[in-house]
Amino acid sequence: DARVTQTPRHKVTEMGQEVTMRCQPILGHNTVFWYRQTMMQGLELLAYFRNRAPLDDSGMPKDRFSAEMPDATLATLKIQPSEPRDSAVYFCASGIRGETQYFGPGTRLLVL
Amino acid sequence: AQSVTQLDSQVPVFEEAPVELRCNYSSSVSVYLFWYVQYPNQGLQLLLKYLSGSTLVKGINGFEAEFNKSQTSFHLRKPSVHISDTAEYFCAVSGVTGGGNKLTFGTGTQLKVEL
Repeated sequence: DARVTQTPRHKVTEMGQEVTMRCQPILGHNTVFWYRQTMMQGLELLAYFRNRAPLDDSGMPKDRFSAEMPDATLATLKIQPSEPRDSAVYFCASGIRGETQYFGPGTRLLVL
Repeated sequence: AQSVTQLDSQVPVFEEAPVELRCNYSSSVSVYLFWYVQYPNQGLQLLLKYLSGSTLVKGINGFEAEFNKSQTSFHLRKPSVHISDTAEYFCAVSGVTGGGNKLTFGTGTQLKVEL
């Protein structure tokens, strides 16, 4: 049963620290998405990649967030420096062309 | 751009009763429509999707939804719910142009099934 995996599942850090979240998409999926879920804003698309190339990162705060796909099996989302308002659950999803997206279990981030 | 409205933030229902979760969307282009379910502390799982063709879509766990273009709705239904259906349900829309990649989610409906 192929699944999207995310690490870490939980992260507590202090304001100003760098946070790196990792995602392993389902093998063979060529599209990877990053979402953020908060009580106030709900689910927001931050960025997505097709064949490792960024297609859209308009939902991502550019000054502190960055997303990359070093290879087809790994996507990363970094926050530097982190702020308390970044506290949220971050989801990675993958798919083929994106019509159906398969979500990972999420990384629950708390910035103190 | 697209938007989704889920008017009901919570829907309580007794076990074995029918349920309908409402979803309305707004878009200037043709759309794909989705329903996802999220169980506590888990990611989202696709219940069903409408891409084209028959407007009545059947999904997993006995759920179905009907695409109504004139009313811009995509309501989710189940004829008889189970305790295990307690979860949060999200309706989502994406434009057909661009391959349906950019999902816009509604605010979610918490379905609580009671004995």
